[in-house]
Amino acid sequence: KAGVTQTPRYLIKTRGQQVTLSCSPISGHRSVSWYQQTPGQGLQFLFEYFSETQRNKGNFPGRFSGRQFSNSRSEMNVSTLELGDSALYLCASSLRRGATEAFFGQGTRLTVV
Amino acid sequence: AQKVTQAQTEISVVEKEDVTLDCVYETRDTTYYLFWYKQPPSGELVFLIRRNSFDEQNEISGRYSWNFQKSTSSFNFTITASQVVDSAVYFCALASGNTPLVFGKGTRLSVIA
Repeated sequence: KAGVTQTPRYLIKTRGQQVTLSCSPISGHRSVSWYQQTPGQGLQFLFEYFSETQRNKGNFPGRFSGRQFSNSRSEMNVSTLELGDSALYLCASSLRRGATEAFFGQGTRLTVV
Repeated sequence: AQKVTQAQTEISVVEKEDVTLDCVYETRDTTYYLFWYKQPPSGELVFLIRRNSFDEQNEISGRYSWNFQKSTSSFNFTITASQVVDSAVYFCALASGNTPLVFGKGTRLSVIA
């Protein structure tokens, strides 16, 4: 059974640009959540999607957005990148919503210069 | 608000020593779930255990064991006879209902040969 796949693995962008990250969940999993990991703030929740609808959103500015497609694949977008957006972005997939086991991808390492 | 505290930032042990990683949580919910994840250098978070608030039985899985004590709001993780492959960052997390995982800051474990 394939795990959670995130692409790309590494990304370097310039301030002001925008970026789109992709996450393919485990087959059959309908819930996808995104987390940002930085040395200073640790792991912070960005948003959760289930059945193509955003169900939860963390405390991030509107520059951070996402969506989920009918096949449960999800994308997140960050517009007008800032240096502080440099982080490891992790995607987690779950069979269902709620406090259930979440399986994480290897993440996308975004560097903003 | 929910909160998870992992007071130990870094721990270093010699191979074959036992090591305990501490986790203290705060929540007002009566039904909640506690998790431990391992993050090796490759980046993905590896699920280790999920425990609900009504099950205070300790759990053992090979060299891993978990001690859940509601009276002290703690969910500690012990690795017996540590190995170099156990070197990683370990995260404790909390969730309830449909809330997203709230992570502690993590404990970096280094096992020296």
